[in-house]
Amino acid sequence: GEDVEQSLFLSVREGDSSVINCTYTDSSSTYLYWYKQEPGAGLQLLTYIFSNMDMKQDQRLTVLLNKKDKHLSLRIADTQTGDSAIYFCAETSTGNQFYFGTGTSLTVIP
Amino acid sequence: DGGITQSPKYLFRKEGQNVTLSCEQNLNHDAMYWYRQDPGQGLRLIYYSQIVNDFQKGDIAEGYSVSREKKESFPLTVTSAQKNPTAFYLCASSIYGARQGLSSYNEQFFGPGTRLTVL
Repeated sequence: GEDVEQSLFLSVREGDSSVINCTYTDSSSTYLYWYKQEPGAGLQLLTYIFSNMDMKQDQRLTVLLNKKDKHLSLRIADTQTGDSAIYFCAETSTGNQFYFGTGTSLTVIP
Repeated sequence: DGGITQSPKYLFRKEGQNVTLSCEQNLNHDAMYWYRQDPGQGLRLIYYSQIVNDFQKGDIAEGYSVSREKKESFPLTVTSAQKNPTAFYLCASSIYGARQGLSSYNEQFFGPGTRLTVL
């Protein structure tokens, strides 16, 4: 399968911005996704971006895509303690097979 | 409410026993997937099914088996051949099974997971 990589841990102070990064190898990616996983639960889709877009904003979330460098990022503005979770990036080129990163564990310090 | 259910939430198994994890969806999705999650390793694909009565192996299928007799159900059996079965298992579904046009959006919906512990 395709490789999708993320750093494992990130800590931020409440109220600061968080930036979670992801790199991928599939040059044919069509859609890229960010999921959130709270402890002991399944994954919840936060947002997605189509590969012909550079940026997508949705309330506190901003997704940036650099297709040339195969780099995806998720910025969470005004991070709250409820944002503490594991965040996964994922991509698909076929639309029916999805490749996930290792997940980034975000800790928000009050 | 539409969604994916997995049962049970926690499952304990003795070594040498087979165990079956349930996954049901009422979203009318064509495709269903099973992933295994271990700390620091993300999600690894075990099996997936694009349509009823058809399924394919994922990256770590050894020691697992599945069936897809009904569109809404995709049970996973963890056999005694699986050497290290203790993990968190996630089921997912998506609208499309077969590849659509490049601009056709597809996403996965996940169940709440089953934590399997081998004693």
